[in-house]
Amino acid sequence: QVLLVQSGAEVKMPGASVKISCKTSGYTFTTSFIHWVRQAPGHRLDWMGWINAGNGNTKSSQKFQDRVTFTWDTSASTAYMELSSLISADTATYYCARGLEYSGHDYWGQGTLVTVSS
Amino acid sequence: DIVMTQSPDSLAVSLGERATINCKSSQSILYSSDKKNYLAWYQQKPAQPPKLLISWASTRESGVPDRFSGSGSGTDFTLTISSLQAEDVADYYCQQYYNTPRTFGQGTKVEIK
Repeated sequence: QVLLVQSGAEVKMPGASVKISCKTSGYTFTTSFIHWVRQAPGHRLDWMGWINAGNGNTKSSQKFQDRVTFTWDTSASTAYMELSSLISADTATYYCARGLEYSGHDYWGQGTLVTVSS
Repeated sequence: DIVMTQSPDSLAVSLGERATINCKSSQSILYSSDKKNYLAWYQQKPAQPPKLLISWASTRESGVPDRFSGSGSGTDFTLTISSLQAEDVADYYCQQYYNTPRTFGQGTKVEIK
């Protein structure tokens, strides 16, 4: 079955960076996109961007453009999201999700809680 | 950015009754070349990731009960739960994937009356 398994919870100081992994299985990694979505407490879901697992092309929301980096390792069927210059407002649960460039997200990781606090 | 606005923010429905959630986009998300509406609906239960229920505004995902249906076109969309079950208590979100950034509605909380 299709699974997306994310790395564990993180606590970071303001100004630091966080890198989250999303290990996939149960399908051919390079045939899909991996989208990243975050959910801050009390806020709506917030799409951050995607990586095309077939060729490594990326697209990010302008909201995060200068701070977010999407990478991937096809040999490990794993995608990564790194967010830099963290502030308290970045405290959220971060999800990876499978999809295509134009589609809903049909499988999701379990979420990774990132807490930014001094 | 396309703004997605859901109504109501919450609703309480008796078991077995119909629940209706509306979603309005700030611009049309109907793509003229393929005549598809680029809209998805998700269900999210506490401490769980969202679950995709419906794509293309009205196509139910495999395994989703047929009491869930989606309708609408252009800028106005509806998710209907025809006969509410206890396990349907959750937050529901619409999302457009017509352009970037993908955007979600603010969510609708469905509870049992």
